[in-house]
Amino acid sequence: EPEVTQTPSHQVTQMGQEVILRCVPISNHLYFYWYRQILGQKVEFLVSFYNNEISEKSEIFDDQFSVERPDGSNFTLKIRSTKLEDSAMYFCASSEGIGQGGDTQYFGPGTRLTVL
Amino acid sequence: SQKIEQNSEALNIQEGKTATLTCNYTNYSPAYLQWYRQDPGRGPVFLLLIRENEKEKRKERLKVTFDTTLKQSLFHITASQPADSATYLCALHRDDKIIFGKGTRLHILP
Repeated sequence: EPEVTQTPSHQVTQMGQEVILRCVPISNHLYFYWYRQILGQKVEFLVSFYNNEISEKSEIFDDQFSVERPDGSNFTLKIRSTKLEDSAMYFCASSEGIGQGGDTQYFGPGTRLTVL
Repeated sequence: SQKIEQNSEALNIQEGKTATLTCNYTNYSPAYLQWYRQDPGRGPVFLLLIRENEKEKRKERLKVTFDTTLKQSLFHITASQPADSATYLCALHRDDKIIFGKGTRLHILP
């Protein structure tokens, strides 16, 4: 069964450094998403991406964050200058293409980001 | 802004009984409401979706209800098993994003 994959599974970085989290969505999906979950807290929406542009973003997704689909398969989240509070599990998700919540989002296993 | 509350942080249910989890929301009624399961250190896994014009949805031992008047959804697991132990997340959809509740940790006791 197709699944969303994410790399790396765990990323440790120093405060102020740039990190890139990578995701490979399910191949025929058209909508892509990033979420984060700080330890012990709820899953929070960051950004959705469709047709090579951001379709919606949350207040969390400030200028330090960016997303890109550099080729036909990868979907990346970049944090330019990491802060301690960026430490969290980051989940990528994809859906077939109805968007608007009408179809299922499939989540990847997550990347645990630790900022020291 | 939209808020979601799930009735309790943790719920203990005896094996074989029905577990009922509650999700309440404020402000607007979403077009869709979903329930997900999350195991420790893993991503959410979709379980069921219910639309605003649907009252009830079933899938095997799972049942979801949606009451837009009460602004509430109930999630039931019948004949519960220890393998059902996990955190269950309620999620509302608006446009192209999902707003998750904090989740309820369900423990099925053998």
